[in-house]
Amino acid sequence: DTAVSQTPKYLVTQMGNDKSIKCEQNLGHDTMYWYKQDSKKFLKIMFSYNNKELIINETVPNRFSPKSPDKAHLNLHINSLELGDSAVYFCASRGSANTGELFFGEGSRLTVL
Amino acid sequence: AQSVTQPDIHITVSEGASLELRCNYSYGATPYLFWYVQSPGQGLQLLLKYFSGDTLVQGIKGFEAEFKRSQSSFNLRKPSVHWSDAAEYFCAVIADNMLTFGGGTRLMVKP
Repeated sequence: DTAVSQTPKYLVTQMGNDKSIKCEQNLGHDTMYWYKQDSKKFLKIMFSYNNKELIINETVPNRFSPKSPDKAHLNLHINSLELGDSAVYFCASRGSANTGELFFGEGSRLTVL
Repeated sequence: AQSVTQPDIHITVSEGASLELRCNYSYGATPYLFWYVQSPGQGLQLLLKYFSGDTLVQGIKGFEAEFKRSQSSFNLRKPSVHWSDAAEYFCAVIADNMLTFGGGTRLMVKP
């Protein structure tokens, strides 16, 4: 069983479209994250949810809207896609507060044409 | 705010040679430190972590790292590199429920 799973793994779409990436974790963790990895491999946190509540919201355009229907799921919806949104998006989860490591999904590569 | 610096963007070593990847952090309190590895087209896998106690920590795949508070460093080492170690390596620090990554070091291994 995959601990943190993301779908789709690859997504190619046109500018202006709206798309979603889904994430599910079966680890029983309370906290989930979305990270963006750009073309230079730099990883930057976007959002964090704890028990379905938003706790971290970095400087991200409001075209990006996370949704957590329950603590095992954190989906990322992106409106009006732009070329600069092309990146790999990683979902992650963490159990213990402060000391626990993050477990990452395999990433979703988004390409905006 | 916490930050992590990996001074080397690329490193090339010969197979069988030793390896050291540098990591420096900036954080006011006791840091919780991690090294992750990302193989091409893959997600991030945890190599090792430091929370407290022994400053030399052992990880998977023969890697180790040493926490040096006086130097604000957490360098990753391996005595003998294998071709399969070629990947991107990320150092990270966790604080305020957030994991902050360094810019990564790409390791290339020569036959």
